[in-house]
Amino acid sequence: RKEVEQDPGPFNVPEGATVAFNCTYSNSASQSFFWYRQDCRKEPKLLMSVYSSGNEDGRFTAQLNRASQYISLLIRDSKLSDSATYLCVVNPSGGYNKLIFGAGTRLAVHP
Amino acid sequence: GAVVSQHPSWVICKSGTSVKIECRSLDFQATTMFWYRQFPKQSLMLMATSNEGSKATYEQGVEKDKFLINHASLTLSTLTVTSAHPEDSSFYICSAGAGANQPQHFGDGTRLSIL
Repeated sequence: RKEVEQDPGPFNVPEGATVAFNCTYSNSASQSFFWYRQDCRKEPKLLMSVYSSGNEDGRFTAQLNRASQYISLLIRDSKLSDSATYLCVVNPSGGYNKLIFGAGTRLAVHP
Repeated sequence: GAVVSQHPSWVICKSGTSVKIECRSLDFQATTMFWYRQFPKQSLMLMATSNEGSKATYEQGVEKDKFLINHASLTLSTLTVTSAHPEDSSFYICSAGAGANQPQHFGDGTRLSIL
């Protein structure tokens, strides 16, 4: 089993749609969680950290379920510019230790 | 916010050449930096953890003699791909975090093409 698993997609949605991505992780002791966005042929960029109580940043909402070892990202009112690959990222040990990346979920928003 | 700079952005060179890639943390000190490689349509693969003042920690399957890492200061790590061959052509990205449990910030990446 992979340490971080995501549905690869692609998710093809019209502008204005709401779309949700899921991610599961295998290490129950994992400390911190993030969603990154990666555009084609570019470096990943931090979208948001994921907190136990859930958190929202504009149109983006992230949730964490430690019992189920499950992380989600909800995007409301999708824009064309949201088209990218979304990476679920886990820090299994805390501190400065390495991050574990999911393979990413591709999102394509069309007019 | 935290900024990580990577140089060069593009390298095209002949087989057998050694290529050095620099990764700098511009507004924070980084005792640990990470080097990744990404092949087209694949996920990021961690190559090694670069530790300031000590040896890098390499992931399984990554040749430490081929991918030399030096982290001589708190703001600079370098990756040297020695005697590069076409199969080393890839997108190399570094990252650094501004603190424990903080998200990593990535450099712009270096696209390496070996002819």
